This record gives sequence, structure tokens and C-alpha cells, in this order.
Amino acid sequence: KAGVTQTPRYLIKTRGQQVTLSCSPISGHRSVSWYQQTPGQGLQFLFEYFSETQRNKGNFPGRFSGRQFSNSRSEMNVSTLELGDSALYLCASSWGGQGQNIQYFGAGTRLSVL
Amino acid sequence: QKEVEQNSGPLSVPEGAIASLNCTYSDRVSQSFFWYRQYSGKSPELIMSIYSNGDKEDGRFTAQLNKASQYVSLLIRDSQPSDSATYLCAVTMGTSYDKVIFGPGTSLSVIP
Repeated sequence: KAGVTQTPRYLIKTRGQQVTLSCSPISGHRSVSWYQQTPGQGLQFLFEYFSETQRNKGNFPGRFSGRQFSNSRSEMNVSTLELGDSALYLCASSWGGQGQNIQYFGAGTRLSVL
Repeated sequence: QKEVEQNSGPLSVPEGAIASLNCTYSDRVSQSFFWYRQYSGKSPELIMSIYSNGDKEDGRFTAQLNKASQYVSLLIRDSQPSDSATYLCAVTMGTSYDKVIFGPGTSLSVIP
């Protein structure tokens, strides 16, 4: 069974640009969560999507948005990039139904904002 | 108060010793608890999940959960240099099974 796939693995952008990251979950998983990881703040929850709907949201500004498609693939968009957005962005997929869900992580997308 | 807190590191233990990692959480109704290991430059990987009070053992790893004290711990017996990594405690918030909040992590070094 293929794992969680994130593309691209690395990105370099400049301030003010926007970026879109992609995540393909494990087959059969309907929930996709996104996290931002930085050395200073650790792993911060961005949002979670289930059946094309945002079900949970963290405390990030509106510049961070996402969506989920009918095949459960998810994209995350960051608009008007700031230097502080430089981070490792991780997505994790899980079954998503009620129960003891376990999240499986992709390899991440490392974003550098110059 | 942060939602999930872990004992500050770094933690150093000699090879063969027991490493003890601790985590407290703020939400009394949290349902699911996880320990992830993250090697430098890699993504987190699940070590243990625990949902009921008490101990859960898997090989050299034992997770302990006390919901009344809002406390979860991970013991690593016979620590090996390959256990050197950052250990992340993760907790689902409220009655949602899918909003998972991670602690800041504890860096563990196992000294040969």
C-alpha cells in the first residue's frame, strides 16, 4: 500500500508570492491534516479535511487555506508569503471516521521564503 | 497553558538504560493519545497509541496513561543509540478524533 505522498519536496519562493502544496493520502483514508513544523514552534496544526469539508482548524491566519478533492487528495495554499512561513509542511492522513484514528505522515514539503 | 506539554530536553541516557518521557495535556475529554518518533530530517512515525487508562506494552516500549491526572508517558527499556531522536506526544482534542495536537517534543540521546 502506498504511503502518503507530498509534492513538491522542496520549494523556494520570495516574499509576497503564493504557493500550493499537494498531498495524496493513503488509499482508503478520507481525512487529511496539515501541519507546519518550525524549530521554534514545533509541529503546529493548520487544518483537517474530511470528505471535501474543513472539519477542524488551527490558529493560523487566513493566508493559509486548503481544500480536498473527491478522491481525498488535498492541497494547501499560502498567499502573500512572509519570511516566517519558511518551514516544513507535513500532511498526515487517517481513516477519518469515529474511532481510534492513527495519522500517517508524508515526507513533507520544505518551503523556503526569501 | 499550552494544550500539550512535554518534559524539556534534551534527555541523555546511557545505552541499556530506561528512558522516561512525560507528557501532560489540558483537555479533560481527550480520547486518543499517541507517541511519535522523529529522526532529524525525517517525518514523524508512530510508535504507540493508547486510549485507556493503564499501561500498554510493545516490545521495548511502554506507554502509560492516567486520564484523571491528564498525563501520558513513554518508557523505553534497554535504550539503544538508534533510539536517539525527538519524541512527540500527540493528543486528540475534545471529542474530535481528528484534531490532533502535538507537544513540542523531547530530544533523546542514547550514549553508547
